[in-house]
Amino acid sequence: GNSVTQMEGPVTLSEEAFLTINCTYTATGYPSLFWYVQYPGEGLQLLLKATKADDKGSNKGFEATYRKETTSFHLEKGSVQVSDSAVYFCALSELNRQLTFGSGTQLTVLP
Amino acid sequence: EAGVVQSPRYKIIEKKQPVAFWCNPISGHNTLYWYLQNLGQGPELLIRYENEEAVDDSQLPKDRFSAERLKGVDSTLKIQPAELGDSAVYLCASSPENTGELFFGEGSRLTVL
Repeated sequence: GNSVTQMEGPVTLSEEAFLTINCTYTATGYPSLFWYVQYPGEGLQLLLKATKADDKGSNKGFEATYRKETTSFHLEKGSVQVSDSAVYFCALSELNRQLTFGSGTQLTVLP
Repeated sequence: EAGVVQSPRYKIIEKKQPVAFWCNPISGHNTLYWYLQNLGQGPELLIRYENEEAVDDSQLPKDRFSAERLKGVDSTLKIQPAELGDSAVYLCASSPENTGELFFGEGSRLTVL
């Protein structure tokens, strides 16, 4: 079956630090890959996505590249802000059906 | 445009009591999902609807959980009777056809005492 493995948290960084959250996946076919973010007290919202190998998804300064050879979709941001503090979930979807999520990574950015 | 609306946001009940959660998806979204999110974990699918039809309910504990989506719009998830282990956040999401992108509600947090 499909599965997603995320770097365990929590992650604590100072403002303007570089962020990497690792994500690897197992899938039988060719999934679409997603990063969702959950801010405190809010619902999950899509941060970025990539639908095929070598695609790069980007949004709000975050980037992730679909690496088929390493089955990875690592999330990066060059300079984090306090407002980026949230829980980040990596997820995959095959045939555009339901999402399979990783366990989430809590990010705290300190001023 | 309104997002996915869920109610109630919070519910506290005693074990063995019934509870129901309601979801109104984004207008025009044919696909509706119910996910379960335990503390510190990622969401796990309970059931997926395509219009009125439940096309994947393999993870729904059918001895105590039930769901319906009448007329292919709103949906209700029910637990009867609730157990202590059901304490979690129940998330509803909807999706436009064949995009794989889900739009989530804020969730319904259940506490079973």
